[in-house]
Amino acid sequence: QSALTQPASVSGSRGRSITISCTGTISDVRGYDYVSWYQQLPGKAPKLIIYDVNKRPSAVSIRFSGSKSGYTASLTISGLQAEDEADYYCSSYTSSSTLVFGTGTTVTVL
Amino acid sequence: EVQLVESGGGLVQPGGSLRLSCVASGFTFSNYWMTWVRQAPGKGLEWVANINQDRSERYYVDYVKDRFTISRDNAKNSLFLQMDSLSAGDTGVYYCARSEYGDYIDLWGQGTLVTVSS
Repeated sequence: QSALTQPASVSGSRGRSITISCTGTISDVRGYDYVSWYQQLPGKAPKLIIYDVNKRPSAVSIRFSGSKSGYTASLTISGLQAEDEADYYCSSYTSSSTLVFGTGTTVTVL
Repeated sequence: EVQLVESGGGLVQPGGSLRLSCVASGFTFSNYWMTWVRQAPGKGLEWVANINQDRSERYYVDYVKDRFTISRDNAKNSLFLQMDSLSAGDTGVYYCARSEYGDYIDLWGQGTLVTVSS
C-alpha cells in the first residue's frame, strides 16, 4: 500500500496550463478506472475535483480535467488562476478494496 | 445542510486509546460508504479505513489493523473510529468522509486533531 507518486511541486504562469502526474502500479492506477483528484487549500479540508479518471463534479470549474494512460494518471489545470494555488492529491481504488493517496503536489502560480 | 462533523480528538499518551465520532446530516447516511482519512502535521493525506453501508465490509490500511476499529450506527447517522495502542506516528488531523461506492470521496468533514505525546 505504497503512496502513489506525484511531483512535489509544479508551477506555472497565470493563464497558462499545468499538468500534475500520478504514478501507481497494476494494483491501483493501472488496474482500475477509479482515479480521483482532490484540492486542498491551506488549513482546509480537501475538495473533490475529479473522479473516475475524468469526471468532474458539477460545481467544479471546467478548467480542471483528468486523464489516464497505463500506470500514470494526470490532472491538467487550464487558464491557471491565483486561486488555484493549493495542494493537489490523487487517489486510486486498489485491489485490496482500499484507497491509496498520492504523495501530494503543491501548485504555485507565478 | 449536507455536512459531516467530527469530534473526540485531543491529547493522549503513547499506548493510550481514543474514540473519534462523526455525525452526518443533510443526506441519507445509510446509503453511503464512510471513510476515515488522516493527515500528519505538514504531511499528505493517508487513507485509514472504510466501512460499507450495512457494516458487512470493513477495510483498513496495514499499519492500523489490530489497533483501530471502524464502526457506524445508521440509526444515529454516526461513524466511529476506536483507536488503541496509539503512538506518535498516529498524530494528525482525522477526517470523516463520505463515499457513494467506496472509490472516491465526495464529502469531507472539517477534521479533528489527535495528538499522541507524553
